[in-house]
This record gives sequence, structure tokens and C-alpha cells, in this order.
Amino acid sequence: GQQLNQSPQSMFIQEGEDVSMNCTSSSIFNTWLWYKQDPGEGPVLLIALYKAGELTSNGRLTAQFGITRKDSFLNISASIPSDVGIYFCAGQRPGGQNFVFGPGTRLSVLP
Amino acid sequence: GAGVSQSPSNKVTEKGKDVELRCDPISGHTALYWYRQRLGQGLEFLIYFQGNSAPDKSGLPSDRFSAERTGESVSTLTIQRTQQEDSAVYLCASTRGGGGYGYTFGSGTRLTVV
Repeated sequence: GQQLNQSPQSMFIQEGEDVSMNCTSSSIFNTWLWYKQDPGEGPVLLIALYKAGELTSNGRLTAQFGITRKDSFLNISASIPSDVGIYFCAGQRPGGQNFVFGPGTRLSVLP
Repeated sequence: GAGVSQSPSNKVTEKGKDVELRCDPISGHTALYWYRQRLGQGLEFLIYFQGNSAPDKSGLPSDRFSAERTGESVSTLTIQRTQQEDSAVYLCASTRGGGGYGYTFGSGTRLTVV
């Protein structure tokens, strides 16, 4: 079953608005990744976080590794139509080799 | 190659038939992963290969599922006696090493069992 929770499940926003989504778990993770998936494509890595408290930006995207190591958030500023897609968080547990993925947040941007 | 290549991109098969899905990882990537994504769902880990080590098969849902990889090259995921619940997109990913580098995914194989 799912070990990561993402919220919101889906969101509709106006073009130009900022977006915030998060990912939580009951377990500690050593690494957090954020991916975006477009229809018919595989997920594409947006941001990787490796240390608790780390705040990392990639253009209009900013993500943070929560201090408790049990959560992470992703912000998108000044959204544009091409931001539409599904955003997945993924976490790697201490000593783990694979990543556990959340169920995703589906983002729709209205013109 | 420049990216992770998966084939076929789409596969429709009859219930009970066997299927083979192929993944060509990025050259030099030692780690290879298979994930399954059901419609509207997140990614479900299936199996992980790292170099010549024994694979981590802990995510395979049943003994109908198996995967092979020779060295650091192509991997094949085989599903025997397919069932309708096997319908999903099967995603392959590779990375430079095990651990936290983050994966590069292929575009997936969409499997439909009718």
C-alpha cells in the first residue's frame, strides 16, 4: 500500500498563481525527490533533496526537505499552462535502495 | 543511448498469454528499476538490479512476474499467464548508482490485457 501521502490530490488554479503541495509519511526518509509526469510519458525529475531542512530551487520550483525528515513540500511560482501534469514525491528510506512514490497531485492550470 | 528506452510502447494481449517488456537503460547506469503504474495511481516498485548483485525482487506481486538483466545492459520483465489486473503502464528507470541519485525514467510500456 501507499506509504507516502500527497495533498492535495488535485488542484485547479489560474495561470499566474502560486502553487503549494506537500508529501508526508509516518516514516523517516533520507532522500526526497519530486517528479512531474506528463500524459503518456515517464516521470521527469524536478528536484532532489538530500538533507533535512534543505531548501532547493529549480527555476520557478522550490522544494524543501522537512526538519522531521517525514515530509517535503513543493512550491511552483507564477504558474503557466505547461505546469499541468501530475506531481509525484518519492522518498528513500535509510538503508533502502528503491524509492517509494506517493499517489501524486494532479495540477490543472486554467487560462 | 541518450535516455532510457522501453519497448514496445503499447502492448495488447489476451488473458492467459505471456508478455515480455524490454528496457534499455542509459549507458553506464549500473542500477535499473521496474515500476508499475495503474491508471490514476502512483508508482509501485517491482524489482531493482544493481550491477552483478542479486536483484531485489521484493516488489514483484506474484510468481507470474520475473525479470532478468545481464550485467549493466538490457533488462526484460516477463509476465506469465497475464490477468486483467496486470493492465498498467510498466516503467523502467536507471541511475548511476544505487541510492539517492534519482532515477531517469523511460516512457513506459502500456499493457492492456483483454
